[in-house]
Amino acid sequence: EDQVTQSPEALRLQEGESSSLNCSYTVSGLRGLFWYRQDPGKGPEFLFTLYSAGEEKEKERLKATLTKKESFLHITAPKPEDSATYLCAVDSSGGSNYKLTFGKGTLLTVNP
Amino acid sequence: SQTIHQWPATLVQPVGSPLSLECTVEGTSNPNLYWYRQAAGRGLQLLFYSVGIGQISSEVPQNLSASRPQDRQFILSSKKLLLSDSGFYLCAWTRRGEQYFGPGTRLTVT
Repeated sequence: EDQVTQSPEALRLQEGESSSLNCSYTVSGLRGLFWYRQDPGKGPEFLFTLYSAGEEKEKERLKATLTKKESFLHITAPKPEDSATYLCAVDSSGGSNYKLTFGKGTLLTVNP
Repeated sequence: SQTIHQWPATLVQPVGSPLSLECTVEGTSNPNLYWYRQAAGRGLQLLFYSVGIGQISSEVPQNLSASRPQDRQFILSSKKLLLSDSGFYLCAWTRRGEQYFGPGTRLTVT
């Protein structure tokens, strides 16, 4: 059974204070690792897909990296508008099913 | 571009009442469709997925059911709601393995 553990559960940063969120996973065969951003009361918004160890992707102040056991979401010089819950998910399903297993998320608060 | 709709946005229902939540996708054909529930303090839980009309796979045994009467329509139903059915229900579709979510329905069972 796939497992995804995100840490920390909550993180408070000052504006401009860089940090990283962690996603540890256990799967039988990784087909993809996904990062989402979720604002309160809204559906998750897709950020990144990572497919293999060593892969990195960037978008504005966010950079996602992947190893064989975990993924990091690095936030550089965050702004208050980066405050949200960040979700990590893995897909190890076969064929065209694409079933994701999600972690519980990290609630990020960036204070001005 | 593709758009996913869910309604209603919020719903308050008494225990034992029926439920029908609807999800529709625009701008794509034959998508994989998914229903998730997000409860307070828990991650997203996959409830059902569908790879085509009339094809439904259940992930979690419960008093909920799903149907896909049309290619881009996915419905979540219950005959009798339980208090434990409260939560945030999300519909999603897949493109190249990436899942895109709708705005969600907040269900409160009283």
